[in-house]
Amino acid sequence: DLQLTQSPSFLSASVGDRVTITCRASQGLSDYLSWYQQKPGEAPRLLIYTASTLQTGVPSRFSGSTSGTEFTLAISSLQPEDFATYYCLRLDTYPTITFGQGTRLEIK
Amino acid sequence: EVQLVESGGGLVQPGGSLRLSCAVFGFTSSDHYMDWVRQAPGKGLEWVGRTRNKANKFIIDYAASVKGRFTISRDDSKNSVSLQMNRLEIDDTALYYCASPRVGAYTFWGHGTLVTVSS
Repeated sequence: DLQLTQSPSFLSASVGDRVTITCRASQGLSDYLSWYQQKPGEAPRLLIYTASTLQTGVPSRFSGSTSGTEFTLAISSLQPEDFATYYCLRLDTYPTITFGQGTRLEIK
Repeated sequence: EVQLVESGGGLVQPGGSLRLSCAVFGFTSSDHYMDWVRQAPGKGLEWVGRTRNKANKFIIDYAASVKGRFTISRDDSKNSVSLQMNRLEIDDTALYYCASPRVGAYTFWGHGTLVTVSS
């Protein structure tokens, strides 16, 4: 089965910083990688799909990229509302689907 | 406007059963894949299962952790999807989300319904 290794699991940063989160797939080349933001008490929110396409309404400071089996979510200039937990996901794997372990982004 | 509205959560004893529903508004559920995702308290997201769309014969897949205990079904007359959970275990305690993918991503999510398995 596919494994998604997301790193780091915890990230401390300041407003205005640029941060990156990585998700590495154990197998298969695919662009069906998506990124989600989740705040406490809320459902996850789609940020990026097909590895690099920005979901409608998501600020342009969020971006996604890929290199082989490694996928990266970047936030160019952190805003206070960006402090949350982030997950990666590949939806094209069968018969089971796996999320990354999550990255908790906190204010330094 | 698209909305997914889950219901049916609650407190149940280990070994018990519960049935969750996801009412779909804004699109025809039978035209799309419908998934269930759960999140245990303080933990990450875990895929539970999915029913594919009509074009893919409504094939259903389950995570290994729930296979044989959980059953996903559709009610097209109500434009809804259900998750029947039997032989519930402590580790099934979680917030259960209904989600529907588009272009390989969960574009639409419900707000979730909480299931607590405890004696």
